[in-house]
Amino acid sequence: GQNIDQPTEMTATEGAIVQINCTYQTSGFNGLFWYQQHAGEAPTFLSYNVLDGLEEKGRFSSFLSRSKGYSYLLLKELQMKDSASYLCAALSGTYKYIFGTGTRLKVLA
Amino acid sequence: TAGITQAPTSQILAAGRSMTLRCTQDMRHNAMYWYRQDLGLGLRLIHYSNTAGTTGKGEVPDGYSVSRANTDDFPLTLASAVPSQTSVYFCASSSAENTEAFFGQGTRLTVV
Repeated sequence: GQNIDQPTEMTATEGAIVQINCTYQTSGFNGLFWYQQHAGEAPTFLSYNVLDGLEEKGRFSSFLSRSKGYSYLLLKELQMKDSASYLCAALSGTYKYIFGTGTRLKVLA
Repeated sequence: TAGITQAPTSQILAAGRSMTLRCTQDMRHNAMYWYRQDLGLGLRLIHYSNTAGTTGKGEVPDGYSVSRANTDDFPLTLASAVPSQTSVYFCASSSAENTEAFFGQGTRLTVV
């Protein structure tokens, strides 16, 4: 079967670092994506990993371990505007993006 | 650049009626997708299309149909709406395999 697990909700303080974990089981795995979605808005792309290791983009980094079926999104220097849902998605086969249920992050002042 | 445009933005539909959700992209992307997003269930793939003229079923295709007559348009049709189809529907597109998907702003559909 195909399954993606991530925590439902997390809370962190402004200026802190938070790590959002994602584990996946998919057939024909072809890459792992992270999206950000603010309430009432469309998801927007944050990062993509296909090889093992860490990808860094400014305050956001994403890590992948294919052998463990595991990824995380690291957010540094948290800002209030980072309060959103973060969606983990695995590419299964050629064009099928399978999404997790999302992690709702609350950033507190 | 418009990107992906969905219409309508929201709709209240009587059960048993049919409706077509429209989706148009101007990025010349080959692949297009329809997802529904429900609280606690995340985004679930309804149908997808790798290229004009071809379509495929996703995780939750029952009660929905799609067509892909050209590159830009990918309408989603509910032949006879039921209350369980109340959801937010997102259309998305991508240029090739292994690249990110771009999403439209969503259509909030309520079936009563």
